[in-house]
Amino acid sequence: GQNIDQPTEMTATEGAIVQINCTYQTSGFNGLFWYQQHAGEAPTFLSYNVLDGLEEKGRFSSFLSRSKGYSYLLLKELQMKDSASYLCAVINREADSWGKLQFGAGTQVVVTP
Amino acid sequence: GAVVSQHPSRVICKSGTSVKIECRSLDFQATTMFWYRQFPKQSLMLMATSNEGSKATYEQGVEKDKFLINHASLTLSTLTVTSAHPEDSSFYICSARDRLRGSTDTQYFGPGTRLTVL
Repeated sequence: GQNIDQPTEMTATEGAIVQINCTYQTSGFNGLFWYQQHAGEAPTFLSYNVLDGLEEKGRFSSFLSRSKGYSYLLLKELQMKDSASYLCAVINREADSWGKLQFGAGTQVVVTP
Repeated sequence: GAVVSQHPSRVICKSGTSVKIECRSLDFQATTMFWYRQFPKQSLMLMATSNEGSKATYEQGVEKDKFLINHASLTLSTLTVTSAHPEDSSFYICSARDRLRGSTDTQYFGPGTRLTVL
């Protein structure tokens, strides 16, 4: 099986930086995704990491260390609209050829003025 | 690009009735679609994997006779909740994988369907 852990909630002020950590334990690993989900809406794709290192995309960056089973999503210059749940998801092709995603419970980020 | 739609967005039904939810990939072909369920303040739980032209693969604990999935074309998958009960009330979300765009494993999500069973 797979265990995916991320903090339940984080609070930060507008304009600040927040880092959301995600640790995973899996027998096989083929990539890690970050999705953003606003309340009552479907998740939207933010990033995909399969190799070690940092992927930067505008205000959002995602980092992966495969040896440590660790990833983080970095949100810079926070805006009020960034208040949402951020989901970490792992894909494991060894266990499943269809490429199913296993999601963490999500981290609720609250941005305050 | 990579737009996935769901219909209806919201449905209220009486206990014992059946409800059909459609998931469409609008600008790409999706050989594989996934159906998730999400309860309030919880993460997405995968219910089943739907492949075009073949039977769906259900996750452990999901009743295949209660949640009927049909993936008749490369752009459409349907989920039918049969004999719905109040405990089936949830947010149902589909996703589709576009093998021609970027990572072959990236899933694009539909807007979700809020089901309320009275």
